Amino acid sequence: DAGVIQSPRHEVTEMGQEVTLRCKPISGHNSLFWYRQTMMRGLELLIYFNNNVPIDDSGMPEDRFSAKMPNASFSTLKIQPSEPRDSAVYFCASYPGGKGNTIYFGEGSWLTVV
Amino acid sequence: QKEVEQDPGPLSVPEGAIVSLNCTYSNSAFQYFMWYRQYSRKGPELLMYTYSSGNKEDGRFTAQVDKSSKYISLFIRDSQPSDSATYLCAINTGTASKLTFGTGTRLQVTL
Repeated sequence: DAGVIQSPRHEVTEMGQEVTLRCKPISGHNSLFWYRQTMMRGLELLIYFNNNVPIDDSGMPEDRFSAKMPNASFSTLKIQPSEPRDSAVYFCASYPGGKGNTIYFGEGSWLTVV
Repeated sequence: QKEVEQDPGPLSVPEGAIVSLNCTYSNSAFQYFMWYRQYSRKGPELLMYTYSSGNKEDGRFTAQVDKSSKYISLFIRDSQPSDSATYLCAINTGTASKLTFGTGTRLQVTL
């Protein structure tokens, strides 16, 4: 299995630009998560989907952030307009379902907003 | 109070030392306890997983859960430089796939 695949791995953008991060979950996993990791706040859950439906987006910082999952094999996290404080590592993770299982992370997208 | 508290370190130990990493949590509904290891510039990967009080061993790693004290630990025996990473505890209630993570402890094992 290829694991969770994220793109781009690194992105440097100017403040005010739109950023789109992409994720392909592990095939057969029915839940998908977007996390943000910073030194100050650690790993924070932004949003998670179950069967392509957003279940909990309470972690999304503000309206500048949006996430979609149009099908079981693809999700996007968009930031528009981006700000320097959005600089972080964004992880996508997927979950196979069932009690007691755990989630599997991608390698992350390293975002720098200048 | 955060739901999961973890000392951020950094923790530096010599090769061969026994390492103890710890987390405390506040929600007694938590049932599943995990340790993730995250190497620099990589995503977290599952290292240990348990759902009951007591100890679970896997090679040089032992996960310990004390539900009465709401305290979990990860012990690393005969630590190696390759163990240098950030270790995150993660806990959930078991009824949903949403994990609560500690902030991570950065470990450096020196030669």
